[in-house]
Amino acid sequence: GDSVTQMEGPVTLSEEAFLTINCTYTATGYPSLFWYVQYPGEGLQLLLKATKADDKGSNKGFEATYRKETTSFHLEKGSVQVSDSAVYFCALRNTGGFKTIFGAGTRLFVKA
Amino acid sequence: DAEITQSPRHKITETGRQVTLACHQTWNHNNMFWYRQDLGHGLRLIHYSYGVQDTNKGEVSDGYSVSRSNTEDLPLTLESAASSQTSVYFCASSRLGEDTQYFGPGTRLTVL
Repeated sequence: GDSVTQMEGPVTLSEEAFLTINCTYTATGYPSLFWYVQYPGEGLQLLLKATKADDKGSNKGFEATYRKETTSFHLEKGSVQVSDSAVYFCALRNTGGFKTIFGAGTRLFVKA
Repeated sequence: DAEITQSPRHKITETGRQVTLACHQTWNHNNMFWYRQDLGHGLRLIHYSYGVQDTNKGEVSDGYSVSRSNTEDLPLTLESAASSQTSVYFCASSRLGEDTQYFGPGTRLTVL
């Protein structure tokens, strides 16, 4: 069945460091891919998404490119801030499917 | 503003008791979902609904039930709470045909 694997955390970075959180997926067909973010004490909210191969999703300085050849959707940010500290979830929804499959989440700590 | 709310935000109960967690959304979304979030597992789908009177089991539905009598609400009931059901529960909703989900703030449930 469909699945999402993302790097284990926690990831600890200093402010202004470069961030990469790896995400790979297994799916039949052509899924839509998502990154959701969960700030402390809150529910998840959509950060960005991409719906087809080679699409780049971007928001708030974060980017991720849908790579079908490597079945990946890695999240990147050039310069993180303390306010980016949160848990990041990679997710997919397959075409014709009704459910969203979430990865286990990666916790990010950014130190001032 | 339209929103999705959950109540209570925190609940402590005893083994064997029936517990109901409320979820209410004002977006008039057709689709509603219940997830549980546990360390190391990310989000796992408990039940979901695509409209009034429609309910479906997710991957971890044992011991849980839902009912959908109107568009706005999808209450989650634990018929006989068990310690294994200690978790954080998230409700989410989405528009018909759209893949982005909108999450509530979560309910932290402790079963003693």
